Amino acid sequence: DSGVTQTPKHLITATGQRVTLRCSPRSGDLSVYWYQQSLDQGLQFLIQYYNGEERAKGNILERFSAQQFPDLHSELNLSSLELGDSALYFCASSVGGLAGGPLGETQYFGPGTRLLVL
Amino acid sequence: KNEVEQSPQNLTAQEGEFITINCSYSVGISALHWLQQHPGGGIVSLFMLSSGKKKHGRLIATINIQEKHSSLHITASHPRDSAVYICAVLGSNYKLTFGKGTLLTVNP
Repeated sequence: DSGVTQTPKHLITATGQRVTLRCSPRSGDLSVYWYQQSLDQGLQFLIQYYNGEERAKGNILERFSAQQFPDLHSELNLSSLELGDSALYFCASSVGGLAGGPLGETQYFGPGTRLLVL
Repeated sequence: KNEVEQSPQNLTAQEGEFITINCSYSVGISALHWLQQHPGGGIVSLFMLSSGKKKHGRLIATINIQEKHSSLHITASHPRDSAVYICAVLGSNYKLTFGKGTLLTVNP
């Protein structure tokens, strides 16, 4: 158990809908990262937050947005969903984030949210 | 050509064998990670390297910055090592790129 929790575990929705994925980092970790893993694209880095502020941005679509709250939990909002958004969405956390953005230090991954868009 | 290439794509071994998985990259990097993804989907970060060699139990990771190459070795492999191993690099511009992974199956 990494100490990172994600909810929900599974989500089935329809095209055009909007969903929110939630992540609670390990106690004491200030950075949260979001990743998408699909069958055709593999793992992709979406975005990183450090202590409430956006730190680094990857291949995140404009239809997607994220935020990190004062209690350090994070939410990833996916809107106008398309079939191609079906994927596993992972959240990870790390202690800092000042060391240099994504993968600048060891990250601890949550179990993921499996999203299916029908 | 992908910026991060892993080989082999698939690897089948017998329990006890020595395993090597390779990762080559074409960009300057500030760090390289090896991740392990189990059949259930969970991801574990195994190593973070910027130079040299690291060892954790039966796992050894090496990196050669000049040759832009890293290897992950597993000694005395065990069926519980069966997983997908993913190499990921952090570029000097903070761009993060993942390899496509190596599926390792260790048979008893």
